[in-house]
Amino acid sequence: KQEVTQIPAALSVPEGENLVLNCSFTDSAIYNLQWFRQDPGKGLTSLLLIQSSQREQTSGRLNASLDKSSGRSTLYIAASQPGDSATYLCAPNNNDMRFGAGTRLTVKP
Amino acid sequence: DAGVIQSPRHEVTEMGQEVTLRCKPISGHDYLFWYRQTMMRGLELLIYFNNNVPIDDSGMPEDRFSAKMPNASFSTLKIQPSEPRDSAVYFCASKKGQGIGTEAFFGQGTRLTVV
Repeated sequence: KQEVTQIPAALSVPEGENLVLNCSFTDSAIYNLQWFRQDPGKGLTSLLLIQSSQREQTSGRLNASLDKSSGRSTLYIAASQPGDSATYLCAPNNNDMRFGAGTRLTVKP
Repeated sequence: DAGVIQSPRHEVTEMGQEVTLRCKPISGHDYLFWYRQTMMRGLELLIYFNNNVPIDDSGMPEDRFSAKMPNASFSTLKIQPSEPRDSAVYFCASKKGQGIGTEAFFGQGTRLTVV
C-alpha cells in the first residue's frame, strides 16, 4: 500500500517569500502525481498534475517537480501571497490515490 | 460539466440510524473514489471503483460501511448502523482512466454528524 509523507507539516512565512513543499512516497510505480489545495471547510482543488514521464510541471507561480525513482515530489510556490494560505496535499497515482497528511501553509501579510 | 456532485452537503443523524451518502461522478470518468477526512486521521481512502466494479475496499473500516456503484453515473456509501465516531467529512472523487490526462476531481463533500 502506498504511503505518503509530507514535510513540513506546517509552515508560516511572510508575504513575498518563495517556498518549497515536499512529498515523498514509498511505491515509485506511479502513473502520475497530483497536487491539491484545500481551504478550511472546503473540498480539494486540483493545482497540478505531473505525469510519470515528466520532470516538471508549471502553472503560474506554482512549479511541481517529480523524481519518480527516488519517490519524491516538490511543489515550489514563488512570491507567496496571503491567498495562498491553505493546506497542500499530494497524491501519487497508482491504481488508487492515497494522500499524505498535508502541509498547512500560512502566508502573513 | 458540473463537476463531481455529492449529496447531501450536511447530514445530522442519531446513533443507530442508517445514513446514505450519494455521489455523481463527472461524465466519462471511469474511476470513482470514496474518502473520509477527520482531524485525527486525515484523508483516508475507503474504497474505489473502476468501471462500476469495486477494486479495493480494504479501507472500509467495518462491516457497517458498504458502497455500491449501480451504474457509471451514481454511487452510494451507506453506514448502518451509524455511530458517533463515524462523524467526519466524506468526499467522493472521480477520474478518467490511467496515463495521460487522468486528473482527479473532488466533490464538495458531505459533512456527517452522528449524535
